Amino acid sequence: DGGITQSPKYLFRKEGQNVTLSCEQNLNHDAMYWYRQDPGQGLRLIYYSQIVNDFQKGDIAEGYSVSREKKESFPLTVTSAQKNPTAFYLCASSRSYNSPLHFGNGTRLTVT
Amino acid sequence: GQQLNQSPQSMFIQEGEDVSMNCTSSSIFNTWLWYKQDPGEGPVLLIALYKAGELTSNGRLTAQFGITRKDSFLNISASIPSDVGIYFCAGAPRMEYGNKLVFGAGTILRVKS
Repeated sequence: DGGITQSPKYLFRKEGQNVTLSCEQNLNHDAMYWYRQDPGQGLRLIYYSQIVNDFQKGDIAEGYSVSREKKESFPLTVTSAQKNPTAFYLCASSRSYNSPLHFGNGTRLTVT
Repeated sequence: GQQLNQSPQSMFIQEGEDVSMNCTSSSIFNTWLWYKQDPGEGPVLLIALYKAGELTSNGRLTAQFGITRKDSFLNISASIPSDVGIYFCAGAPRMEYGNKLVFGAGTILRVKS
């Protein structure tokens, strides 16, 4: 079955630690995205990548970093510089830059 | 930046009722998408709209692209318990998606007890 796999489902970290969230897709999609979801708010774009080895900042990139070394993979690192990291993180992909987004099942990160 | 207002914020449904929700934008959009999110899961695309005035159905769901291109509507007919969840609208100002997609805050559908 083709799809987007995010792991782990739940992640707990202490404040001051960096943490990396995994996102893998086997849909052969060119574009991949990371969104953050907070209660009562729309999804906010953190980073996106249109092709391998290229990525761009979204609306709320501060405190986050990404890499796109392989087409299938787009990991997100939440650094200690992110002031409010506790949230639900969603990875998405699209066949091309002008195709609808398909989402993974998310990773809930809790930082204490 | 562009904003999407989605209403209502939440509503209770009784099985068999029809449900309506809408999104309005402060500026013109050329693409509207509707997603549903179940608790703890990622959003799933329900309907995509590409043309002003377009009316598209997906089973019991019908969505319309407003003629002004500043709004969109989603209707669910004869609701069933599995319709509960969060419904998001999303719009793009041009035919591109990607980083131009703007999301509403969601409409939470709950079951009336």
